Amino acid sequence: AQKVTQAQTEISVVEKEDVTLDCVYETRDTTYYLFWYKQPPSGELVFLIRRNSFDEQNEISGRYSWNFQKSTSSFNFTITASQVVDSAVYFCALSERIQGAQKLVFGQGTRLTINP
Amino acid sequence: DADVTQTPRNRITKTGKRIMLECSQTKGHDRMYWYRQDPGLGLRLIYYSFDVKDINKGEISDGYSVSRQAQAKFSLSLESAIPNQTALYFCATSVSDNSYEQYFGPGTRLTVT
Repeated sequence: AQKVTQAQTEISVVEKEDVTLDCVYETRDTTYYLFWYKQPPSGELVFLIRRNSFDEQNEISGRYSWNFQKSTSSFNFTITASQVVDSAVYFCALSERIQGAQKLVFGQGTRLTINP
Repeated sequence: DADVTQTPRNRITKTGKRIMLECSQTKGHDRMYWYRQDPGLGLRLIYYSFDVKDINKGEISDGYSVSRQAQAKFSLSLESAIPNQTALYFCATSVSDNSYEQYFGPGTRLTVT
């Protein structure tokens, strides 16, 4: 079965520091998608990115960047020059196809705290 | 207006009570999902539905049931609530393609005392 591991349960840094959230996955599928979601203190889930397994290019969106490495089954997320508003729980997720169904398997989440 | 709505947003109930959580969507998506979130465990799938006539169990369906009353509505029921069902519950929708992208509702925080 698919599995997503976010080994960092909690991370705390001072504002303006760079921080990387790790995500390691296991899958038997040759084609799959990886996702990152943000859950701020208000509780909703905010979609950040989706990456196809065939596209190993790194992606940058403002202060956010993602490093996808198929060779190590990792999809890490870096926030540059962190801000207090980045404080949230971040989830990595992996697609899973079972009997035609499209499902997402989530990691345990990493709670990121940015201190002023 | 939000595309995926959940009611109630917060609920406190007692052990043994029956409770229903409702999810509605205006996105026109065929597929709908119910997840629960517990601290340190991420989101786990309870049930999912391809369309009105197709409902499937997820990884933690025991103690829950669902009803897909229409394409736009997917309800989750706890027939006899117990304290370890205290959690944050999310509804999600997706289109019938290969994108796997799911759109989440705002969540329902349920407390069973």
